[in-house]
Amino acid sequence: GDSVTQMEGPVTLSEEAFLTINCTYTATGYPSLFWYVQYPGEGLQLLLKATKADDKGSNKGFEATYRKETTSFHLEKGSVQVSDSAVYFCALDPNNNDMRFGAGTRLTVKP
Amino acid sequence: EPEVTQTPSHQVTQMGQEVILRCVPISNHLYFYWYRQILGQKVEFLVSFYNNEISEKSEIFDDQFSVERPDGSNFTLKIRSTKLEDSAMYFCASRLLGDRRETQYFGPGTRLLVL
Repeated sequence: GDSVTQMEGPVTLSEEAFLTINCTYTATGYPSLFWYVQYPGEGLQLLLKATKADDKGSNKGFEATYRKETTSFHLEKGSVQVSDSAVYFCALDPNNNDMRFGAGTRLTVKP
Repeated sequence: EPEVTQTPSHQVTQMGQEVILRCVPISNHLYFYWYRQILGQKVEFLVSFYNNEISEKSEIFDDQFSVERPDGSNFTLKIRSTKLEDSAMYFCASRLLGDRRETQYFGPGTRLLVL
């Protein structure tokens, strides 16, 4: 069935380092793709999304491009901050109902 | 900014007891969802709800689970007889339209612990 696979981590970076969290998907149709973030003690917040191939989602310095040829939606940020420490979830919506989430990647940014 | 709210934030219950988890979706949204996240595992879909009926449910959503929209604002998940393995974080979500391009907005979750 439709699913996402993401880099599991944990990932530990120094402040201002470059971040990549890999996400690949399997889908029979044309899903929308999402990155959600979960800060400590909080719920899931939408970080960015892309609804069709070649779309780039961006927010708060994070970017991800929907690449159909490689079935990927990797999350990137050029310069991370301590406040970016959180768990990041890649997700896809294949059919207007249930979202499929990756396992989550815990990011810790050290000053 | 409108947000999805959930109560309680934490609940501890004894095995075999009934629990009701409550959610208030964003007011003009039409589609509602429950997900759960067992500690350390991925977020899993439980059920979707539209027009006062279940539109889709997963294998997890067995006869012990039910959902209801008892009034114009609340959306509840009931677990009739809790089991130890029901311990998890339960997330409610809502969406304006049933289109996969629309974002699902999640609540902060209810952490359920079954002893």
